[in-house]
Amino acid sequence: EADIYQTPRYLVIGTGKKITLECSQTMGHDKMYWYQQDPGMELHLIHYSYGVNSTEKGDLSSESTVSRIRTEHFPLTLESARPSHTSQYLCASSGSTSPGQGAAWNTEAFFGQGTRLTVV
Amino acid sequence: KNQVEQSPQSLIILEGKNCTLQCNYTVSPFSNLRWYKQDTGRGPVSLTIMTFSENTKSNGRYTATLDADTKQSSLHITASQLSDSASYICVVSDRGSTLGRLYFGRGTQLTVWP
Repeated sequence: EADIYQTPRYLVIGTGKKITLECSQTMGHDKMYWYQQDPGMELHLIHYSYGVNSTEKGDLSSESTVSRIRTEHFPLTLESARPSHTSQYLCASSGSTSPGQGAAWNTEAFFGQGTRLTVV
Repeated sequence: KNQVEQSPQSLIILEGKNCTLQCNYTVSPFSNLRWYKQDTGRGPVSLTIMTFSENTKSNGRYTATLDADTKQSSLHITASQLSDSASYICVVSDRGSTLGRLYFGRGTQLTVWP
C-alpha cells in the first residue's frame, strides 16, 4: 500500500479563486511529480522535484506553481483558477534505493488517488 | 524523441477470455518499464516493473514481457474478470537525467463484459 495522499479528492470552485492542491508522502521519497490528465487521455507531466527546494516545469505548460519546502510535501497552487484548468491532477513520488546512477532508477513510482478539479 | 505507443487504444473482451496489450517505446537510455492499471477517477496502481535484463514477469493473472532489443513490451491478462475493466498504462523511465523521467503511453482502455 502506497503512502501518498492527495487532498481534496474533488473540488468545485469559481473562476478567479486561488486554490492549493495538497500532496504528501510518508515514504521519504526524494522525487515527486505532478501530472495533469483529462478524461480518456494520457498523463502529462506539469511539475517535478528531485528534492527539497528544487522544482522544475514539466512537458506540459501550466499556470500552476509548486513548492518543496519539506521532503514529504509537494503542494500545487493556482493563483487564479479558470475553466480551462478543469482536469484531474495526479501526484506521484519515487525514491532511490541506493546511491549511484545505475540502480537508483529501478524504483517504483507511487501515485496518489488524484484531485478532480472543476472550475465553473 | 522519447515516446511510448500503446495498442490497441481500446479493447472489449468477454469475461474469462485472455487478452494481450502492446507497448512500443523509443525512450533512451532505457532504465525500466512499468505497467499500471488505472480505474476511472483513480490514480494508477503498479502491476509490474521490468528492468533491461528481465524478459518476463508475472503478477497473478498478469504477465508482462519485455524485449529490450526491439523495444517492445506486452501485458497478457489471463482469465479476465469484470474487475479487470480499466485503463492499462505503459510507463518507461529513462536514466539520462538525474530525475529518471517517466514517459507515459496513452493507455489501453479494457472493458470486460459478462
